[in-house]
Amino acid sequence: EIVMTQSPATLAVSPGERATLSCRASQSIGTNLAWYQQKPGQAPSLLIFDAVTRATGIPARFSGSGSGTEFTLTISSLQSADFAVYYCQQYNNWPLTFGGGTKVEI
Amino acid sequence: EVQLVESGGGVVQPGGSLRLSCAASGFTFYSYGMGWVRQAPGKGLEWVSVISSSGTVTYYGDSVKGRFTISRDSSKDTLSLQMNSLRTGDTAVYYCARVGQRGGTRFDFWGQGTLVTVSS
Repeated sequence: EIVMTQSPATLAVSPGERATLSCRASQSIGTNLAWYQQKPGQAPSLLIFDAVTRATGIPARFSGSGSGTEFTLTISSLQSADFAVYYCQQYNNWPLTFGGGTKVEI
Repeated sequence: EVQLVESGGGVVQPGGSLRLSCAASGFTFYSYGMGWVRQAPGKGLEWVSVISSSGTVTYYGDSVKGRFTISRDSSKDTLSLQMNSLRTGDTAVYYCARVGQRGGTRFDFWGQGTLVTVSS
C-alpha cells in the first residue's frame, strides 16, 4: 500500500497570504495525484487531478505541482472561503489512499 | 446538475448488516465508474470501494474486503453498498462519489454522505 503523508498538519495563514501544502508518497506515483478541499460539515470536493490540472470551476489561485513522490498544492492568495481541510489522494496503485489532511486556518 | 444522494445509514449492532444506496442524477450514470469513501468522526478520508462503469470490475479496501459488496443498477441509476459483519471501526460517514472520466480513479463529484454507527 502506498502511504501518503501530508505536511504540515495545520497551517495558520492570513487572508491574502500564500499557502503551500505538501504531500509525499511512499513510492513513485507519477502524476496520479488528486487534491480535495473539505469544509466543515460538507463533503469533499475535487480541486486538482493529474497533479496539475484544475477541476472544472476551480479558480486559478489554486495550483498543483510535482511528480514522482513529492507534490505541492499552492493557494496564491488565500480568501476566507479557502479555510478548510485539504487532502491528497493517489490513484496510481490499488488500494487508493488518502493523506491525513492539512487544515488551513486563520 | 450532477447529484448524488445517499440513504440507508443508521445505527446497527456489531455483527449486523446494512445496505447503503446512492441515487444518481444529472449525468449518464452507466458511463461512469462509482465509488464509496468513508470518514470516521473527526478523522480523515478512507477509500472503501470502486465499481467500473459496466459493473464487471470491483475493488475493495483491505479493511472491508470480504465483508462489503458494491453493486450498481444502471436501469435505476443507483449505486449500492451491502455491508455485512459490521464492526465498531466501520462507524463513519459514507460518501458516494463519481469517478472522473479520461484518467485515473479520482472522485469528481461527491454526495453529502450518510452516517453509519456501529454500536451495541
